[in-house]
Amino acid sequence: EAQVTQNPRYLITVTGKKLTVTCSQNMNHEYMSWYRQDPGLGLRQIYYSMNVEVTDKGDVPEGYKVSRKEKRNFPLILESPSPNQTSLYFCASSLRGGAGWNGYTFGSGTRLTVV
Amino acid sequence: GIQVEQSPPDLILQEGANSTLRCNFSDSVNNLQWFHQNPWGQLINLFYIPSGTKQNGRLSATTVATERYSLLYISSSQTTDSGVYFCAVGSRLTFGEGTQLTVNP
Repeated sequence: EAQVTQNPRYLITVTGKKLTVTCSQNMNHEYMSWYRQDPGLGLRQIYYSMNVEVTDKGDVPEGYKVSRKEKRNFPLILESPSPNQTSLYFCASSLRGGAGWNGYTFGSGTRLTVV
Repeated sequence: GIQVEQSPPDLILQEGANSTLRCNFSDSVNNLQWFHQNPWGQLINLFYIPSGTKQNGRLSATTVATERYSLLYISSSQTTDSGVYFCAVGSRLTFGEGTQLTVNP
């Protein structure tokens, strides 16, 4: 089944403890992206990647890192999480930048709480 | 950047009713999608519709790219249609604020 897989689905962590949220897609998509969703602020893009080894900042990149060493994987790294990074996170992929022929596919989301 | 406005922000329906959700965007785009966010938080892709009309069961969507708007039609609504409907546009997907739909039995 064609899908974007995020892990974990739920995570509670403490301030300052490094964590990684994984994202993997099995559709050979070139483009991958991370979003966060917050009440009253909607969905905002954190980082995106047009292809392997090509990443760029989205609208709210502060406090996050990403890497794209393989086409299928696009992990989101929080080096020193803070409570304001408590949010619902989504990974998405598309055949290519600009959506391609059928748009973006989203993962199921990761609900992160930083205490 | 692109501005995306959705209306109405909230909508309450009785089961069986029809509804129309609207999405206006501020610039020409090569991508427009409608999503449904269910009560568990999952974003379900409903339509990829940068232009034209598509139908999928009780749902249909129309995008008039030259006039920079899109409409999502829900017919014979069911309680399982409840949730938030998002329109998202552009190559990097800019989301509107969504329409919160509640369908009562």
